[in-house]
Amino acid sequence: GENVEQHPSTLSVQEGDSAVIKCTYSDSASNYFPWYKQELGKRPQLIIDIRSNVGEKKDQRIAVTLNKTAKHFSLHITETQPEDSAVYFCAASRDSGTYKYIFGTGTRLKVLA
Amino acid sequence: KAGVTQTPRYLIKTRGQQVTLSCSPISGHRSVSWYQQTPGQGLQFLFEYFSETQRNKGNFPGRFSGRQFSNSRSEMNVSTLELGDSALYLCASSFYLRQGQSLNYGYTFGSGTRLTVV
Repeated sequence: GENVEQHPSTLSVQEGDSAVIKCTYSDSASNYFPWYKQELGKRPQLIIDIRSNVGEKKDQRIAVTLNKTAKHFSLHITETQPEDSAVYFCAASRDSGTYKYIFGTGTRLKVLA
Repeated sequence: KAGVTQTPRYLIKTRGQQVTLSCSPISGHRSVSWYQQTPGQGLQFLFEYFSETQRNKGNFPGRFSGRQFSNSRSEMNVSTLELGDSALYLCASSFYLRQGQSLNYGYTFGSGTRLTVV
């Protein structure tokens, strides 16, 4: 069945360091890969997404890379700040007009000041 | 533009009871998806509605059902509640727009309904 594996489950970094979260998906038909950030007690919010026709996308301190052959995509956060502390979820979806997202199990990122 | 509104925010129910949760999408969004979020399982897809029709369904038992009204508002119902149904239930509203060769998705979550079954 469809599955998205996400690693690590927890990640602690020093402020200013980089953080990398990795996801692997099983459905080869997936071609849309969003990342969501969920702060404690709040709703998940989209922070960046990538489609299968590109290999990398960057937005300020956040970047996502995609390797379709390996069915692998990653989130990179540079110059981490305490406000980056949250749970991050990756997801995979087909570009079929439906909205079934398969989410990873989340990564709890803690940025230490 | 108002966001996605879910009601109620908190709910406590007893095992065996049933519950109905409501989701009002962003104005103009016609698709509403529902997710169950638990600490152990993360976010799991329940179902998606578009123009009052269920387009996709996750792997949940038949006790979980939903519907969508003509104004795009959606409800989900859980019958015969079990302790394991305790979770945060999130709905997400979205649009789908093809612009030339590119596709644009908007997927905005509501704040959720936290259901506790005792």
